[in-house]
Amino acid sequence: DAKTTQPPSMDCAEGRAANLPCNHSTISGNEYVYWYRQIHSQGPQYIIHGLKNNETNEMASLIITEDRKSSTLILPHATLRDTAVYYCIVRVADSGNTPLVFGKGTRLSVIA
Amino acid sequence: GAVVSQHPSWVICKSGTSVKIECRSLDFQATTMFWYRQFPKQSLMLMATSNEGSKATYEQGVEKDKFLINHASLTLSTLTVTSAHPEDSSFYICSARDPKNGRNTIYFGEGSWLTVV
Repeated sequence: DAKTTQPPSMDCAEGRAANLPCNHSTISGNEYVYWYRQIHSQGPQYIIHGLKNNETNEMASLIITEDRKSSTLILPHATLRDTAVYYCIVRVADSGNTPLVFGKGTRLSVIA
Repeated sequence: GAVVSQHPSWVICKSGTSVKIECRSLDFQATTMFWYRQFPKQSLMLMATSNEGSKATYEQGVEKDKFLINHASLTLSTLTVTSAHPEDSSFYICSARDPKNGRNTIYFGEGSWLTVV
């Protein structure tokens, strides 16, 4: 079962920042927080992951609370192409045989 | 970034026939690949873990004799749906772990749509 809780849907105006929350209150010390997104009829796309420090890459920023029980994915300037289902997943990063277990995710709609 | 490719992107087959879906890691070697199935408006469901050179590990409720998985090389895993029925129509997605840089990031293929008629 997925160990994360996300709101089922969110709207965001084009050009504004999209902030997607995720609760993972039972996360273990060796589990990372991963974010993927799935655009309609495509395979999931890796976005970012982190352990305890905030992370930033060309796609997004990941803010993890100090107690690691929740995190927020930030898309700084959302575009229509960012409309997708966003999945927050916790997983042990150093285990090659551990799959990603998907919950229901958040359906983000970016509106013009 | 790492690339995982699936083929075919979509396939239509008749009931009772078998269909094979290929999953390739294009720029890294993958000792482990994962197969998922996704029905419309639902999330991805893990079907099995495919290990190079050994038998796949199937999730509870997934018929191993119906969904044959072969991982014969470090860059190729195949999923064969045997004696397909209309209820097997779904979006099948594979993924593989890229061990580069110690980040162990998992990347997904584009997915394969199967329609059984």
